[in-house]
Amino acid sequence: EDKVVQSPLSLVVHEGDTVTLNCSYEVTNFRSLLWYKQEKKAPTFLFMLTSSGIEKKSGRLSSILDKKELFSILNITATQTGDSAIYLCAVALGAQKLVFGQGTRLTINP
Amino acid sequence: NAGVTQTPKFRVLKTGQSMTLLCAQDMNHEYMYWYRQDPGMGLRLIHYSVGEGTTAKGEVPDGYNVSRLKKQNFLLGLESAAPSQTSVYFCASTKDGSYGYTFGSGTRLTVV
Repeated sequence: EDKVVQSPLSLVVHEGDTVTLNCSYEVTNFRSLLWYKQEKKAPTFLFMLTSSGIEKKSGRLSSILDKKELFSILNITATQTGDSAIYLCAVALGAQKLVFGQGTRLTINP
Repeated sequence: NAGVTQTPKFRVLKTGQSMTLLCAQDMNHEYMYWYRQDPGMGLRLIHYSVGEGTTAKGEVPDGYNVSRLKKQNFLLGLESAAPSQTSVYFCASTKDGSYGYTFGSGTRLTVV
């Protein structure tokens, strides 16, 4: 059975802290790994990773994939209250299928 | 650009009632998906479609039916609602099976 596991499930930090969110996977027919941010409603796309060791970066957010150890991390530096959200990791398999993890609920306190 | 529009946004059903959730996209996307999101479970794929007139089962298809009669619309039906179907339902679409999915804003369904 294809499985994506995120940790921690919940995290509370102070504004300005750096956080690291984890995503591990056990799947067949891996194609890519994606990160989404979900605030009040629809998930919005952050990154897609297909190759090991290549960091993707967007402002204070960055992510990297390790296909040997089957995990990815999402880093957020200098956190702001606007970073509070649920962060979803998903693995894309063949046949146009995405398998999601449970999500990490991140709360940034001022 | 409307993107992906879901209707209704909220609904309360009694056990045994039926309803249809509508997803409409104006981006000419081939692929459309229905997910449900439950606390602690992430998003789980119910059904999907790779083009007009096609549908396929996802991870949790039981109790649901779908239709894709027009390319821009993907309908999710519940024939006889059960409390276990209380959830938030998301529709998503993508142009060519690539994975920058566009999600709708969700439908919160409560079955009592």
